[in-house]
Order: sequence, then C-alpha cells, then structure tokens
Amino acid sequence: DTGVSQNPRHKITKRGQNVTFRCDPISEHNRLYWYRQTLGQGPEFLTYFQNEAQLEKSRLLSDRFSAERPKGSFSTLEIQRTEQGDSAMYLCASSLGPVGNTIYFGEGSWLTVV
Amino acid sequence: RKEVEQDPGPFNVPEGATVAFNCTYSNSASQSFFWYRQDCRKEPKLLMSVYSSGNEDGRFTAQLNRASQYISLLIRDSKLSDSATYLCVVLSSNDYKLSFGAGTTVTVRA
Repeated sequence: DTGVSQNPRHKITKRGQNVTFRCDPISEHNRLYWYRQTLGQGPEFLTYFQNEAQLEKSRLLSDRFSAERPKGSFSTLEIQRTEQGDSAMYLCASSLGPVGNTIYFGEGSWLTVV
Repeated sequence: RKEVEQDPGPFNVPEGATVAFNCTYSNSASQSFFWYRQDCRKEPKLLMSVYSSGNEDGRFTAQLNRASQYISLLIRDSKLSDSATYLCVVLSSNDYKLSFGAGTTVTVRA
C-alpha cells in the first residue's frame, strides 16, 4: 500500500495520559498536514509541514499538542495530558507541492479519552 | 461565522432521483474549491474540483458562483452507493490550508 499510513488506528487512553500518533506520507510528497475531525463536523486544520519545517500551527493546537517531522519524512503528533475534549479522529494528509494538486488523506487515528 | 457553511441534511432520496445541495464560503479571496466524499468513519476522498465555468464528472455536476460565494453539487440518477457525507472544501488564499464544511449527508434508498 503506497498511500498515507497512520498508526495506531485506534487509541483509548485515560485522561491525563500522553498519546502519540505517527503518519507516514506518500514517499515523494514534501507537504504534510494534520487535521482533526469530531462527530458531525468537517476536518479542522491543525498544522502544516513543508519538508521538515512546520510552517503553520492552528490556534486549535494548545500547548499540550506538538507535531514534528524530522528529516521531512514521517511525522508525529503528540498530545500531552489528554482531556476528554481531545477525543476525535486525527487525520494526516500529504501532497506533492501545492494542495491544489491532489491531497491524499490517511485513514485517520481515532482517539478516545476516558 | 464559519468559513464554509453547508446544509447538513440529511437528504433522503430514492434511487434514480436527482439531489442537489449548496455551500457558502466567507472568504472572497478563496482560490480553489472542491467537493470531497466521506463514508462513515473513513477518510475524506476527493470527489471533484469545482471550476468557475462549472464542470461535470459523470452523474455529478458542480457549479461555482463567485459573486454570491456559493458552490453547488448535483447528483443525477442517484445510486445506493452515493450514500455518504459530502464535504464542501475551500482552499484559502495561501496554497496549503483547506477549510471544510461540516458536510451534507445523503442517503439513497432502494
């Protein structure tokens, strides 16, 4: 499978614990995006990387959230001290160049905070 | 005000029917527009781009009205497999941030 890969696909965690999600983009794609989607809503932009540089971080991302893309390949999204409001599907996407070209989404990582 | 607003539906239509719905966007500087399809608990997938002159892709027709800042999608001869949530998506004046509507749910019944 040469698409965008995310893992874990599902994570249940207790409030206050830290979680980390990983995204492996399509290999030649230089742009990587994280979105969050809750029930009944469309995906909301979280952050954007061009190669290894994080060029924008949404106001939605509190200080408990951090994303990295070392070496411009895979990316991680870490949530510290999780809260119930963090429960959502976290979507990673990648594209080659501007997103006017096709952007490809991974299958998402579902987080449930109990 | 949300950047992209959609009628959430649901639109419940029989097979073979035509269904159409709109979305509106707030940023007049938006440069590109798309419809994505999302099945339950799956990732969004591009259905079609929307061009100023309007465009068709098989049974799907998309229209853009820049003056009124709305986008429409029409599905002709609905199939059961068209049942999904349709997300209206706008690319902002930068070239990387997509803004999604909350989606319009379509259910096609036999």
